[in-house]
Amino acid sequence: GAGVSQSPSNKVTEKGKDVELRCDPISGHTALYWYRQSLGQGLEFLIYFQGNSAPDKSGLPSDRFSAERTGGSVSTLTIQRTQQEDSAVYLCASSKGGSGNTIYFGEGSWLTVV
Amino acid sequence: AQRVTQPEKLLSVFKGAPVELKCNYSYSGSPELFWYVQYSRQRLQLLLRHISRESIKGFTADLNKGETSFHLKKPFAQEEDSAMYYCALSPGNTGKLIFGQGTTLQVKP
Repeated sequence: GAGVSQSPSNKVTEKGKDVELRCDPISGHTALYWYRQSLGQGLEFLIYFQGNSAPDKSGLPSDRFSAERTGGSVSTLTIQRTQQEDSAVYLCASSKGGSGNTIYFGEGSWLTVV
Repeated sequence: AQRVTQPEKLLSVFKGAPVELKCNYSYSGSPELFWYVQYSRQRLQLLLRHISRESIKGFTADLNKGETSFHLKKPFAQEEDSAMYYCALSPGNTGKLIFGQGTTLQVKP
């Protein structure tokens, strides 16, 4: 595709339910990043993938959050037992990897936990 | 600690006025710094990076290692510059970004 694609664009879920957010990076981009954008918290780094491995998971806020990437392409961010404080925009980004390469962002998945 | 600070949540100026969006960073190594912009209902996109020393849409930013700052400047603001601006730091060689809290720039006619 032309850019980073994320789905769903909007998701409303009940507290306690699990959600999955999907990211399709730009073709050929080996690096993939997940960020969270929320009011008062700005943009928080969650996890970084290089290929299918995640050398940096330091931003995942709790063990309810997990992510995987398969085939060096699509990634899924899973939030288990959602809480109201999980409400945010979850942004995915990709790049050719390493420093110096431009990071391209998706439009985000708006998650609302009610 | 690696940190990026943008002290202003909102900066409001009139069209044609100079603009300076402040950014300070904390990083022990040689930093790689960026400015990203998010226009209304658009995705976050790169505006400029310090290593390129370029001017994009009339904006420039100079890295001042002594003051640990990377302020974004434009001599004459335009209404279409209204957006959210994020300063970001890339530590190491993963390309991962650490963002500031963001500053909303509002350019009034």
